[in-house]
Amino acid sequence: KQEVTQIPAALSVPEGENLVLNCSFTDSAIYNLQWFRQDPGKGLTSLLLIQSSQREQTSGRLNASLDKSSGRSTLYIAASQPGDSATYLCAVTYGGATNKLIFGTGTLLAVQP
Amino acid sequence: DAGITQSPRHKVTETGTPVTLRCHQTENHRYMYWYRQDPGHGLRLIHYSYGVKDTDKGEVSDGYSVSRSKTEDFLLTLESATSSQTSVYFCAISKAGSDTQYFGPGTRLTVL
Repeated sequence: KQEVTQIPAALSVPEGENLVLNCSFTDSAIYNLQWFRQDPGKGLTSLLLIQSSQREQTSGRLNASLDKSSGRSTLYIAASQPGDSATYLCAVTYGGATNKLIFGTGTLLAVQP
Repeated sequence: DAGITQSPRHKVTETGTPVTLRCHQTENHRYMYWYRQDPGHGLRLIHYSYGVKDTDKGEVSDGYSVSRSKTEDFLLTLESATSSQTSVYFCAISKAGSDTQYFGPGTRLTVL
């Protein structure tokens, strides 16, 4: 069964700290991987998408990396801010036009001012 | 903003009653999805659609049906709601030429 795991489940850091969120997947034959942000009571916002042929993607203070051979992805957040507090979810797809996502359970991030 | 709305946003119903959730998009995207989100399970795909009248099952489709008679609307129906279907339901769309999925604001459903 294809599974996606995110560790840790929760993380608290002081403002300004750089941090890394982890995502692992059991089947390395992924098509792409996405990182989402979810604020309490809200829908999901797509942050970054990495195709299987790519090693990393960057958007502002966010950098996502992908290592298919080890079945891992990381989301690096530089100079964290209280506004970064949210749940971060990773999701993978295994090909085909339908793009069905398999989600991890997320990491709840709290950035303390 | 991908122009996705969900209705209702909150609903409380009783076991055994039928429930229909609506997802509406304004940009005529081909692919639409229904997910449910539960503590400890993350988001799981219920059903998806790849065009008008073209739908297929996802990971947790038992007890749910869907319909898509127009490009802009994707309906999720619980024929006879059970307490295990208490959840937050999210609709998503996928734009042509892009693998990114865009999510609606969610519907919180409580089955008593």
